[in-house]
Amino acid sequence: QKEVEQNSGPLSVPEGAIASLNCTYSDRGSQSFFWYRQYSGKSPELIMSIYSNGDKEDGRFTAQLNKASQYVSLLIRDSQPSDSATYLCAVNRNSGNTPLVFGKGTRLSVIA
Amino acid sequence: DAGVTQSPTHLIKTRGQQVTLRCSPKSGHDTVSWYQQALGQGPQFIFQYYEEEERQRGNFPDRFSGHQFPNYSSELNVNALLLGDSALYLCASSLVGRVYNEQFFGPGTRLTVL
Repeated sequence: QKEVEQNSGPLSVPEGAIASLNCTYSDRGSQSFFWYRQYSGKSPELIMSIYSNGDKEDGRFTAQLNKASQYVSLLIRDSQPSDSATYLCAVNRNSGNTPLVFGKGTRLSVIA
Repeated sequence: DAGVTQSPTHLIKTRGQQVTLRCSPKSGHDTVSWYQQALGQGPQFIFQYYEEEERQRGNFPDRFSGHQFPNYSSELNVNALLLGDSALYLCASSLVGRVYNEQFFGPGTRLTVL
């Protein structure tokens, strides 16, 4: 059973702080890794994708991947109340349109 | 650039009924995947359509079926509805042949089974 594990939270951080979200996966064949943001009652929105070991930065977001440890994380710098949402980690095998396997998500609350 | 669209937004049905949900992929995309998201859970893969055929299927019973049309739009049909089918149904579109498979979700259809 291919699994993706996330702490359900809630993770509470003060405004302006760094929020750190973590994810582990069981399928060593996973090649593509994604972070989706989901506001309450809305659909998931793709915010970051990462495919190689190391860091990938996009604005206030940094995704980190360590395939040897089967670990992927998302850092949100200068957290804002508008970042309060559930963050879903998703992985899939490379090549073609393989299904995404999701974790249950981590609920982030940024306190003003 | 038109994003993924889904209809209807909300739907209320009773047990035993049948339902059809619709999805139009993002402009330029040719593959549609359907996911079910129960409250407090991550999305679960139902099936995927490409070239009007079901290509992959998750662990869902045959009550769940689908179709893809020549214009790449897709339908999800659920027969003999159960209370447990109440969920947010998400459609995701992507483009086959891309090395990295980014999938973009529509707004979803909230199905309530009474």
